[in-house]
Amino acid sequence: SQKIEQNSEALNIQEGKTATLTCNYTNYSPAYLQWYRQDPGRGPVFLLLIRENEKEKRKERLKVTFDTTLKQSLFHITASQPADSATYLCALFLLFSGGYNKLIFGAGTRLAVHP
Amino acid sequence: NAGVTQTPKFQVLKTGQSMTLQCAQDMNHEYMSWYRQDPGMGLRLIHYSVGAGITDQGEVPNGYNVSRSTTEDFPLRLLSAAPSQTSVYFCASSSLGGPDQPQHFGDGTRLSIL
Repeated sequence: SQKIEQNSEALNIQEGKTATLTCNYTNYSPAYLQWYRQDPGRGPVFLLLIRENEKEKRKERLKVTFDTTLKQSLFHITASQPADSATYLCALFLLFSGGYNKLIFGAGTRLAVHP
Repeated sequence: NAGVTQTPKFQVLKTGQSMTLQCAQDMNHEYMSWYRQDPGMGLRLIHYSVGAGITDQGEVPNGYNVSRSTTEDFPLRLLSAAPSQTSVYFCASSSLGGPDQPQHFGDGTRLSIL
């Protein structure tokens, strides 16, 4: 079956450390992968997009990798801060011939950064 | 710039009642979509629209209707509410007509069906 897996357990780290979140998928061949941040009571906010032919993408303290062989994306936050505490969602963009293209979301991983 | 605005923020309905969740965006985005978010599950696509007058079904369309008469507005209608429709509903929009683009989300409508 097709599925996206993000660690359902919260990730707790100390301020200043690097947080690494994982997004694994099976039986999909995504063209793009996106990462979003979601705060309690708010809608998701787009962070980064990485294409299948890109290995790595960076934006300030954020870094995303995309390994289509392992079917995995890693999301890193360096020098983490308590303000980085949120739930992080990965989403796969799938191309379908003759049908609609769609964006499939994982359930998200909650990150807690402690002072 | 307001972005994507959803109303109401909270709603409680009785089984069998109908209601409309409103969504408006001021970014002139062609692509708009509705998702529901349930605990432990990813966002699931209900309906989407690639432009005014054009709508189509997503993964979980049953029990919901949509229409798109203007670029700005994309309301979601619950025809006869059921407890299984208790959820948080998010509207999203994106430019260039594609789900491959970054999605701009509203802050959601929290709906409880009793």
